[in-house]
Amino acid sequence: GQQLNQSPQSMFIQEGEDVSMNCTSSSIFNTWLWYKQEPGEGPVLLIALYKAGELTSNGRLTAQFGITRKDSFLNISASIPSDVGIYFCAGQKETSGSRLTFGEGTQLTVNP
Amino acid sequence: EAGVVQSPRYKIIEKKQPVAFWCNPISGHNTLYWYRQNLGQGPELLIRYENEEAVDDSQLPKDRFSAERLKGVDSTLKIQPAELGDSAVYLCASSLEMRETQYFGPGTRLLVL
Repeated sequence: GQQLNQSPQSMFIQEGEDVSMNCTSSSIFNTWLWYKQEPGEGPVLLIALYKAGELTSNGRLTAQFGITRKDSFLNISASIPSDVGIYFCAGQKETSGSRLTFGEGTQLTVNP
Repeated sequence: EAGVVQSPRYKIIEKKQPVAFWCNPISGHNTLYWYRQNLGQGPELLIRYENEEAVDDSQLPKDRFSAERLKGVDSTLKIQPAELGDSAVYLCASSLEMRETQYFGPGTRLLVL
């Protein structure tokens, strides 16, 4: 099935560093979502974006809905060890009901 | 408030055996989803229910997979017979209505030997 192109695949950073990851698609999405998944658990919603150009923050997390509606970005500032996990972007189209199309994930490791 | 409940959490079976997964959504959530997540991949939708009606099952391999949501509350996903390639995490999610935030359960990890 269709997947979004998410990069990087993995990141190894030191505690306190900032992190950036992005997600791109060849088609337009009307909603962009960012989820975090920890081992043995299901994905948990972090941020939802509904409008092209929108910039939304949730604590140390900031995400942007790309102006072309074909991409999105997630930034984490001042990373801490509990940020470890897999971050997934997901897109939703008006024409596909509530079906989410997920990226392949970015595995984040934070060294204390 | 209780989250989405799934059982079992882990299942190991031999190929050609049947297997079933159960999901109880968040109380009051009308929309229920089953996703499959292969190793190193994001989840992919298998089927979506609005109350007891399956409204999007285009991605469900109907030759061996079946699902039901009797009474529009909990749901069961079945595979019969299982194949080696079915090894994955099966995630259930629910939302209040279509296009509302989807809340995921912890998943059932299936290993087919």
